[in-house]
Amino acid sequence: QVQLVQSGAEVKKPGSSVKVSCKASGGTFSSYAISWVRQAPGQGLEWMGGIIPIFGTANYAQKFQGRVTITADESTSTAYMELSSLRSEDTAVYYCAVLWFGYWGQGTLVTVSS
Amino acid sequence: QSVLTQPPSASGTPGQRVTISCSGSSSNIGSNYVYWYQQLPGTAPKLLIYRNNQRPSGVPDRFSGSKSGTSASLAISGLRSEDEADYYCAAWDDSLSGHWVFGGGTKLTVL
Repeated sequence: QVQLVQSGAEVKKPGSSVKVSCKASGGTFSSYAISWVRQAPGQGLEWMGGIIPIFGTANYAQKFQGRVTITADESTSTAYMELSSLRSEDTAVYYCAVLWFGYWGQGTLVTVSS
Repeated sequence: QSVLTQPPSASGTPGQRVTISCSGSSSNIGSNYVYWYQQLPGTAPKLLIYRNNQRPSGVPDRFSGSKSGTSASLAISGLRSEDEADYYCAAWDDSLSGHWVFGGGTKLTVL
C-alpha cells in the first residue's frame, strides 16, 4: 500500500513562495503519476499539475502556468510543489495524489496572510 | 466554474437509492475513464470508483458507477448516515496537452 506523507502547514506573506513536499513509501514511486490538487476553504478540488518522476517532465493546469513548479526526486521518493507570487486566494489545503489509484497525502494547509 | 458539471446537492433517506450525475465533454468523459471520490469533512478524498465502474477493495458494493457518452453517474443504494459527504467526479482531459478535471462536487445529505 502506497503512503504519501506531506510537509506541515505553512503561513506565508503575499508575494512570497511556498514549497510543499510529498514523500512516498510502499510503492514504485518513479512510475506513478503524482498530481497536486488544491482545495480552498469550502470549495471543490482543483488540479494544479502533475509529474511522472521517471520521465521528469511536469505538466501544469493553464491557470497555474508560470506560477507553479512541480519536481520529483527519485532518490528520496519525494515530490515537490512550489507556488510563487502568493496571494490571499491561494489559501487552501494542498494535496499530492496518485489519482488513478486513489493514493492521497494528508494535505498541507497553506495560509497566505499579511 | 468546473469543467465537469455535478449537481451541488443531493439527498435521501436511509435505505434509499440516490444517484449523482457528472456531465462532461468529448475530450474528458467522452474519451477517458471516470473516477469518483468521497470526501468526509476535514479529510482527504477517498477513491470510490475507478475506470468508470470498478470498486477498490474495501468499498461496499452499495456504490456503483456508470458512464454513457459524455456523462457519468454514481449510484448509492441502501443509503446510510455515514454516506453523508461530498462526492466528486474526475477524468483526464485530452485538451491543452492533457490535464485532470474535476466536478464541482455534490454534497449528499442523509435525511
